[in-house]
Amino acid sequence: GAVVSQHPSRVICKSGTSVKIECRSLDFQATTMFWYRQFPKQSLMLMATSNEGSKATYEQGVEKDKFLINHASLTLSTLTVTSAHPEDSSFYICSALAGGFVYTQYFGPGTRLTVL
Amino acid sequence: EDKVVQSPLSLVVHEGDTVTLNCSYEVTNFRSLLWYKQEKKAPTFLFMLTSSGIEKKSGRLSSILDKKELFSILNITATQTGDSAVYLCAVVGATNKLIFGTGTLLAVQP
Repeated sequence: GAVVSQHPSRVICKSGTSVKIECRSLDFQATTMFWYRQFPKQSLMLMATSNEGSKATYEQGVEKDKFLINHASLTLSTLTVTSAHPEDSSFYICSALAGGFVYTQYFGPGTRLTVL
Repeated sequence: EDKVVQSPLSLVVHEGDTVTLNCSYEVTNFRSLLWYKQEKKAPTFLFMLTSSGIEKKSGRLSSILDKKELFSILNITATQTGDSAVYLCAVVGATNKLIFGTGTLLAVQP
């Protein structure tokens, strides 16, 4: 099946710093990738839809200036958490759309972000 | 507002037991319902359901959808410790995005 990787798998940073998370589709091209956030004991919440070559579409309540998304190629999308704060600590998961339908998403292994 | 509710929130069973997980939903222009298994990392796909009454089966897992009553169940027979995970239900509606429920945490004890 299709493989999606994320890097890093875990990051610990100080409050106020910026953190970049990479999402790569390894064996297929993805014009669309999704970024989700999952707080402990809660479900995945869609943050934004990343489209190659265009601006990301953010869900209501997600600050686009805080969560910068760049989808520079058909296999790479990056999420940068700017000026991270402890409340940004969460599990961030990306997915890549392998086909024309939203259910053909393949998920990355996730990135655990801890902001001290 | 689109909503997905799963029950129970958590469940503890012994190996060999059969479990039934529930997922009810309210969504505009329902398109499909998906089940995922999440073991400390990203979700892995189990089933996609679009039609009522047609059971999907994979080994000891099976699932069925009732579009009239707006719910789906996921059955796991002869549970094993490797089945321990969070099981997520998600629906796709008019927004064409995955809307996830809060999941059911299943713990299978030896």
